[in-house]
Amino acid sequence: GIQVEQSPPDLILQEGANSTLRCNFSDSVNNLQWFHQNPWGQLINLFYIPSGTKQNGRLSATTVATERYSLLYISSSQTTDSGVYFCAVSKGGYNKLIFGAGTRLAVHP
Amino acid sequence: NAGVTQTPKFRVLKTGQSMTLLCAQDMNHEYMYWYRQDPGMGLRLIHYSVGEGTTAKGEVPDGYNVSRLKKQNFLLGLESAAPSQTSVYFCASSYPQGRNNYGYTFGSGTRLTVV
Repeated sequence: GIQVEQSPPDLILQEGANSTLRCNFSDSVNNLQWFHQNPWGQLINLFYIPSGTKQNGRLSATTVATERYSLLYISSSQTTDSGVYFCAVSKGGYNKLIFGAGTRLAVHP
Repeated sequence: NAGVTQTPKFRVLKTGQSMTLLCAQDMNHEYMYWYRQDPGMGLRLIHYSVGEGTTAKGEVPDGYNVSRLKKQNFLLGLESAAPSQTSVYFCASSYPQGRNNYGYTFGSGTRLTVV
């Protein structure tokens, strides 16, 4: 099956810093999504981005499908950005997502 | 608009007991899923459903059964709970492929401990 690797596994930032999270996947996919799991465990859908670039406020994402990687950029980080960021992909039908192990982000004031 | 609602939020079971986790969505999504999340790991798919009356196995289906009698509800059953099933369970729903945004939405999770 498809392997999804995320890096770095852990990241500590001061408020206001920028960061880049990476997701590598081992096969072509037709669905790639980024999720944020907040400290209370809730999973929030950030981006649906099988290819190209999208931006939403301080967050943006880029997927280079031909090279099988995706990047999530967080600018001017805030303490509310803390939590775990997951990349998830699917191949074929039914949106069955395969998750990476996540990047745990801690933003300190 | 509640999105995806899971009940219960917490449960402690003794080994061998049975229980059913309930998931309800009000977004008219065709697809529904059950995932489990273990410490330090991403989510893994247990079972999924692509429509009322249909179910299929995911990556880790052993020890679980599911039913989808109504489009808005997806039930996950544990017939004889084992300590290895201690986990956080998430229900999700989405539109089929072909939509610009699948609208993947997760419930808030059920924390299950089997002692």
